[in-house]
Amino acid sequence: QVQLVQSGAELRKPGASVRVSCRTSGYTFSSYGISWVRQAPGQGLEWMGWISGSNGETNYARKFRGRVTMTTDSFTSTAYMQLRSLRSDDTAVYYCVGPHGYWGQGTLVTVSS
Amino acid sequence: QSVLTQPPSASGTPGQRVTISCSGSSSNIGRNFVYWYQQLPGAAPKLLIYRDSRRPSGVPDRFSGSKSGTSASLAISGLRSEDEAEYYCAVWDDSLSGRNWVFGGGTKLTVL
Repeated sequence: QVQLVQSGAELRKPGASVRVSCRTSGYTFSSYGISWVRQAPGQGLEWMGWISGSNGETNYARKFRGRVTMTTDSFTSTAYMQLRSLRSDDTAVYYCVGPHGYWGQGTLVTVSS
Repeated sequence: QSVLTQPPSASGTPGQRVTISCSGSSSNIGRNFVYWYQQLPGAAPKLLIYRDSRRPSGVPDRFSGSKSGTSASLAISGLRSEDEAEYYCAVWDDSLSGRNWVFGGGTKLTVL
């Protein structure tokens, strides 16, 4: 069955960077893209961008362009999302979303001095 | 301010039928498929409806989706206590700034 397993919680200081991983299994990685969605505490869902599983093509939400980089490793069927210049309002649970509506379990990123 | 508009709250009693609306525009709902997600507290969202009205396997037929023009709706019949959750609509939006996946602000469903 399709599974997306994300890396563990992270604590960062303002101005730092964070990279979240999303290891996939149960489907052909190159056949589908991965989206990244975040959810601040008590808030709704916010799409950050998408990366192709076949050629690495990306489509970033305007809000995050210049600050986010999404990559993939086809050998391990893993997607990565790096967010730079972190601010306190980047504190959120970050989700990867794969095919057929499957979501990762979420990764809490806390930005605090 | 979300691109898609949902009521912030909805409620019903067990056994009742409730509907949650999602209003968009010609650049999103008017031209692309709508998805609905259920999010229980502390959990990742779960896909309830895809391509406007299709249910993934395992989703009870109490949940149904529909779309007309630039609006969509999620209906839940035979309401149960375990349906108490946050519900989000989502759709791809094709605007001048590019293709973006957008969400409604979410609707908190309370089972009275």
